Amino acid sequence: SQQGEEDPQALSIQEGENATMNCSYKTSINNLQWYRQNSGRGLVHLILIRSNEREKHSGRLRVTLDTSKKSSSLLITASRAADTASYFCATGGGSNYKLTFGKGTLLTVNP
Amino acid sequence: GAGVSQSPRYKVAKRGQDVALRCDPISGHVSLFWYQQALGQGPEFLTYFQNEAQLDKSGLPSDRFFAERPEGSVSTLKIQRTQQEDSAVYLCASSQLGRGRRDTQYFGPGTRLTVL
Repeated sequence: SQQGEEDPQALSIQEGENATMNCSYKTSINNLQWYRQNSGRGLVHLILIRSNEREKHSGRLRVTLDTSKKSSSLLITASRAADTASYFCATGGGSNYKLTFGKGTLLTVNP
Repeated sequence: GAGVSQSPRYKVAKRGQDVALRCDPISGHVSLFWYQQALGQGPEFLTYFQNEAQLDKSGLPSDRFFAERPEGSVSTLKIQRTQQEDSAVYLCASSQLGRGRRDTQYFGPGTRLTVL
């Protein structure tokens, strides 16, 4: 069963714009991860945020986590056509070892 | 190799056929996972190996699904008497450490199985 629900299901923007995707989950977590999937490179780990963290940055990525609302957001700044992909949030890993993914957001960045 | 590899990349099977999907994890990685991804959905956990031991097979949808990792490296996912609902992408992932250790999972490109 899916743990998370990403919102929106699909997002289309122009190159250079920012893209924000949201994820809601159901149970308490130790951490939350974001993955990207495209046909060229498969499923790639982007960033992990722990339950005691509120915000984390990695390059053009910014992730926030609100455990009281059981939600997370992924912001991609200054988007590029190469960012076109599906983005998934996932909970678990580590001591929970298995990952539980949401349904994903399909991001299209138009040149 | 540099990453997780899977073969074949694409497999078309007639309903009722048996199929075998192979995963070569990153060398030395202790943990190996199989996930199933239906069209338009996120991956769903199937089974987990720590070295050669299958510690969790709770996600396998039926007894037609069988996975093994006999020498603690390469793993095979076998599906017997395939059904149309088995059509999906099957993803393999490996991680360096064992269960209980915080660790990144590295995914292979997947095998797209189509059952006609």
